[in-house]
Amino acid sequence: AQSVTQPDIHITVSEGASLELRCNYSYGATPYLFWYVQSPGQGLQLLLKYFSGDTLVQGIKGFEAEFKRSQSSFNLRKPSVHWSDAAEYFCAVGADDYKLSFGAGTTVTVRA
Amino acid sequence: DAGVIQSPRHEVTEMGQEVTLRCKPISGHDYLFWYRQTMMRGLELLIYFNNNVPIDDSGMPEDRFSAKMPNASFSTLKIQPSEPRDSAVYFCASSFQRGGVTGELFFGEGSRLTVL
Repeated sequence: AQSVTQPDIHITVSEGASLELRCNYSYGATPYLFWYVQSPGQGLQLLLKYFSGDTLVQGIKGFEAEFKRSQSSFNLRKPSVHWSDAAEYFCAVGADDYKLSFGAGTTVTVRA
Repeated sequence: DAGVIQSPRHEVTEMGQEVTLRCKPISGHDYLFWYRQTMMRGLELLIYFNNNVPIDDSGMPEDRFSAKMPNASFSTLKIQPSEPRDSAVYFCASSFQRGGVTGELFFGEGSRLTVL
């Protein structure tokens, strides 16, 4: 079965600074990879996804992620963080059984 | 467009009571998922449906939990009897994945359940 590890539980970043969130997955075949964001009291919203092709994926809100098969990673990045980016971020891996496995999440705090 | 609609948003009940959570997926979506979110266990998939048919309920914790999808626009998750350890946020999500596994999940805002 597939699984996801997000090594960082909590990250604090200054507004305007860059952000990188780590995600490592475990899956025997080509994975379907996703990043979701959850604002307080809300459901999850898709930021971006990777299925095949170009390993650098662009998403909404200025986020991008890079798939590195050799490292089993799918790290999320943003060049300049805004205060509204404070939220919890989830990496997920999907398989052919239509089920997504989510990581434990990384909480991002943005300081002024 | 209306998203996934869940009710109630908050539910406080006493141990032993029956709890019913409701979900209306996005029209036209053919997959519906029930997730549970807790601090200890994160997001767990409980069950999912395809075209109103339960496909995988291996995540349902025990027989106290049951889920139904009587039609394409409505699903319920029932806990009977409820226990304090069932306290969590329950999310419903729907997706249009016909022909592939790459569909985006659209989540509702969740139902926060507190069992005293």
